[in-house]
Amino acid sequence: RKEVEQDPGPFNVPEGATVAFNCTYSNSASQSFFWYRQDCRKEPKLLMSVYSSGNEDGRFTAQLNRASQYISLLIRDSKLSDSATYLCVVNWKNTDKLIFGTGTRLQVFP
Amino acid sequence: DAGVIQSPRHEVTEMGQEVTLRCKPISGHNSLFWYRQTMMRGLELLIYFNNNVPIDDSGMPEDRFSAKMPNASFSTLKIQPSEPRDSAVYFCASSFARAGGAAGGTQYFGPGTRLTVL
Repeated sequence: RKEVEQDPGPFNVPEGATVAFNCTYSNSASQSFFWYRQDCRKEPKLLMSVYSSGNEDGRFTAQLNRASQYISLLIRDSKLSDSATYLCVVNWKNTDKLIFGTGTRLQVFP
Repeated sequence: DAGVIQSPRHEVTEMGQEVTLRCKPISGHNSLFWYRQTMMRGLELLIYFNNNVPIDDSGMPEDRFSAKMPNASFSTLKIQPSEPRDSAVYFCASSFARAGGAAGGTQYFGPGTRLTVL
């Protein structure tokens, strides 16, 4: 089983749509959880950290379910500029090592 | 503020040549990470340093790869000899790890070095 698993997509959605991505991780000792965004031929950039209580940043909402070892990202009112690959990221056990999922590709069309 | 700086941005070399990639982390950060990204394997951690000391090099593919961090503001990743299968984008990232804090802090990536080995 991969340490971090994501549906690779692509998810093709119209502008204004709501889209959700899911991710599962294998190590129950992980403490830190993130969503990163990567544009084509660019470096990954932090989108948001994910907290146990869930957190929201504008149109983006992240949820963490430790019991199920599951992380989600919800994007409301999709914009063309949201088109990118979204990487689910988890730290390895109790270390600073981050494990990146292979990413979920989102394409928003007009 | 300057982010993570990497050089060169692009490198094209021939099989068998030595390649050196360079990274300057964000000032004040004490952890530095080297990653490789390919379409087939995604983003893989090669090695990371904390306070200039290598902590985990389990991702270094083989003896042809070596990394150093002589001081807090500079690191190199060297491939010698290079092979076509080393072609990838190599990213450097840095973070600040607070003593006693939660592990796995936010990492900030440089723009990457796109390496092509012919």
